[in-house]
Amino acid sequence: QSALTQPRSVSGSPGQSVTISCTGTSNDVGDYNYVSWYQQHPGKAPKLMIYDVTERPSGVPDRFSGSKSGNTASLTISGLRTDDEADYYCCSYGGPHNLEVMFGGGTKLTVL
Amino acid sequence: QVQLQESGPGLVKPSETLSLICNVSGVSIRSHYWSWLRQPAGKGLEWIGRIYATGTAVYNPSLNSRVSMSVDTSKHEFSMHLSSVTAADTARYFCARVSVAAVYYFDVWGQGTLATVSS
Repeated sequence: QSALTQPRSVSGSPGQSVTISCTGTSNDVGDYNYVSWYQQHPGKAPKLMIYDVTERPSGVPDRFSGSKSGNTASLTISGLRTDDEADYYCCSYGGPHNLEVMFGGGTKLTVL
Repeated sequence: QVQLQESGPGLVKPSETLSLICNVSGVSIRSHYWSWLRQPAGKGLEWIGRIYATGTAVYNPSLNSRVSMSVDTSKHEFSMHLSSVTAADTARYFCARVSVAAVYYFDVWGQGTLATVSS
């Protein structure tokens, strides 16, 4: 069982927007802005898409955006493309008394 | 560009030690923290730990008693050793560069190497 809770799957059509949630607790997601998101295509290594809740690394399209409210962080992908189909993992700092780096169980995004 | 390449035995017997190496190119190994993560087939990611060029390391508490990491700056590589392995340690192991933004992010990854624990 993962420390952070994500939906197992989400889906959307090309051009639409989808949001993936990531729920933690007041000791991790809720207390720190060290939330990141990774995209992983089958058989590939994860790719950092969002860090510091809302920041995008260089080269990541602005179709990808992050946010946080309370103990839940979210990744929104707008203008869905077929190559966005992948697994997405959230990650959070767990605080000084917990596992330092914790991941969600992952969400499979299907672009119909 | 920055590239990471894992190497390892592929197959390890139960109770033995899994040793993996990550070769770093395109950037000085002295300029970043470096991490190991793993992913069992069909499952999520697990952070194993990180190390700096000085040898200072932080490990996942659930693996703390079995894992160690080291850096060889002359060879531009860092390594991980996981002792007393069981079938539960079978996974794809990734090495990654820790982001300068914070030590909780990983901005460059190797392709991963599969390690299977079996007799």
